Amino acid sequence: EAGVTQFPSHSVIEKGQTVTLRCDPISGHDNLYWYRRVMGKEIKFLLHFVKESKQDESGMPNNRFLAERTGGTYSTLKVQPAELEDSGVYFCASSQEKPGRPNTEAFFGQGTRLTVV
Amino acid sequence: GENVEQHPSTLSVQEGDSAVIKCTYSDSASNYFPWYKQELGKGPQLIIDIRSNVGEKKDQRIAVTLNKTAKHFSLHITETQPEDSAVYFCAAHRRSNFGNEKLTFGTGTRLTIIP
Repeated sequence: EAGVTQFPSHSVIEKGQTVTLRCDPISGHDNLYWYRRVMGKEIKFLLHFVKESKQDESGMPNNRFLAERTGGTYSTLKVQPAELEDSGVYFCASSQEKPGRPNTEAFFGQGTRLTVV
Repeated sequence: GENVEQHPSTLSVQEGDSAVIKCTYSDSASNYFPWYKQELGKGPQLIIDIRSNVGEKKDQRIAVTLNKTAKHFSLHITETQPEDSAVYFCAAHRRSNFGNEKLTFGTGTRLTIIP
């Protein structure tokens, strides 16, 4: 079974440009998360989808970031316009609840390294 | 909100020795504490987790301990091997009444095993 896949693995763009990151979760996983790690710091939560609905987007930095999950399958994260401070590694994770188990393992993708110059 | 602190930021140990990474958390309602290992070019991978109703859990050379009173939890790796070299992240999780699930991570520990 395929794991969480992210595309592209690397992206270098100029300040002011637009970039769209894509995440394909594990098939059948309702929960999809976006996280970001800025160099040397913690991995920070951005938002959480349950199927196609945004459950929590409290971690989104500002309105330059837009996440979608149409149809409840893959998700995209668009940054428009990109700023220098948006550089970092963007991780996607997915999980699926199991009956009787309050916490579920989140499986992470390999990440997209975004560099804004 | 939850805040997780992780120490040390870097750790070098001789092959065969033990490594210990420590984390503290702030939200007493957190009830799930996973540890992730990130190897170069890969995403974080769960290696062990512990729930708040347990004080210690072991899986071969890896163990995790949890002190709920002090809000501390630690990762212990014994008989370290070169393949243990990676960045390790601790995390804390609390599920809200709205089913909101998110992990709060520490800043990571770069572990280097010296052959």
